[in-house]
Amino acid sequence: DTGVSQDPRHKITKRGQNVTFRCDPISEHNRLYWYRQTLGQGPEFLTYFQNEAQLEKSRLLSDRFSAERPKGSFSTLEIQRTEQGDSAMYLCASSSSGGQGLGVADTQYFGPGTRLTVL
Amino acid sequence: GQNIDQPTEMTATEGAIVQINCTYQTSGFNGLFWYQQHAGEAPTFLSYNVLDGLEEKGRFSSFLSRSKGYSYLLLKELQMKDSASYLCAVRDMTGNTPLVFGKGTRLSVIA
Repeated sequence: DTGVSQDPRHKITKRGQNVTFRCDPISEHNRLYWYRQTLGQGPEFLTYFQNEAQLEKSRLLSDRFSAERPKGSFSTLEIQRTEQGDSAMYLCASSSSGGQGLGVADTQYFGPGTRLTVL
Repeated sequence: GQNIDQPTEMTATEGAIVQINCTYQTSGFNGLFWYQQHAGEAPTFLSYNVLDGLEEKGRFSSFLSRSKGYSYLLLKELQMKDSASYLCAVRDMTGNTPLVFGKGTRLSVIA
């Protein structure tokens, strides 16, 4: 396994459309995180999973956003009725809670991101 | 509340040493991370500190003072490829918590 992967890498959509992004974490990692990053800012936390359970959601995650990790492996992030303010880079990261695999101290490793542009 | 401060931009010369500072105010503390992010790419992990002191990893070192809420990232023998944003991030509780990131410091390495 070479790392966290995300698909698509770029998405352009019209306002009001729904979009879905996928994240495949490092295979031995049980934790998966979604962040959003806009230009000139650091990543902002959206939500995270431990295995299939969604344990925390940021107040940034409005009702239009939903995330799933049905089998504790890959995750999807869906945005309904997109708005121009949703334009950002959506980053996925994974980590291991048990000190296994690549990381130490639950280090998060990021995927390449999905850049969303809402017209 | 949570607040992480780092300088917005820095410029340094190829071959030199640069220190990027980070101060933080969080409700708790369980580790500080430094990430490097090239334009348009994902953050990549550089270092982790949870105890006071210096952690060295090749040309990169990171220092932490918990009592002062302060960290720095030291880059030695700067190379042009080190031009990137450097993100300071804090995990403010034990266990299952995400990272809180600063806005990043954009470093430009010039010849």
